[in-house]
Amino acid sequence: EAQVTQNPRYLITVTGKKLTVTCSQNMNHEYMSWYRQDPGLGLRQIYYSMNVEVTDKGDVPEGYKVSRKEKRNFPLILESPSPNQTSLYFCASRDYSYEQYFGPGTRLTVT
Amino acid sequence: GQQLNQSPQSMFIQEGEDVSMNCTSSSIFNTWLWYKQDPGEGPVLLIALYKAGELTSNGRLTAQFGITRKDSFLNISASIPSDVGIYFCAGQLNNDMRFGAGTRLTVKP
Repeated sequence: EAQVTQNPRYLITVTGKKLTVTCSQNMNHEYMSWYRQDPGLGLRQIYYSMNVEVTDKGDVPEGYKVSRKEKRNFPLILESPSPNQTSLYFCASRDYSYEQYFGPGTRLTVT
Repeated sequence: GQQLNQSPQSMFIQEGEDVSMNCTSSSIFNTWLWYKQDPGEGPVLLIALYKAGELTSNGRLTAQFGITRKDSFLNISASIPSDVGIYFCAGQLNNDMRFGAGTRLTVKP
């Protein structure tokens, strides 16, 4: 089954404790993105990657890092999480058709 | 970056009614997409539009790509309880994709 998977689905952590949210897709898509979703703000892009070893900042990249060492994986790293990064995070992938496929989401709470 | 203006923010309708929502932007886009998000899930693509003026249907859903390339609408006919969820529009220009804030739809049986 074609899908985007994320782990973990839920995470509660404390300020400053480094964390990684994994994302993997099995559709051989070149393009992958990370979004955060906050009430009333819709989806905002954090980082995107157009291919292996090619990443670029989206609209809200501060406090986040990404890497793209393999085509299928695109982890999101929070080196020192803060409470304002409490949010619902989605990974997405697409090919050149612009039809994005989203993962199930990771709900992060930073206390 | 500028997000899209999506309206209405929420709708409460009776089962069987038709629904209409729209998105507007000050920028032009090459592609418009409509997604639905169920509680606890990621957005799922409903309809993709690739050409100005294009009208596309997917079952009871119909969407149009505005002729100015700055707007799009989504209609749902004869709503049913499983239509409940949040509907998002998205506009794409090259590698830049923008989302609306969503329309929350509630359908009363």
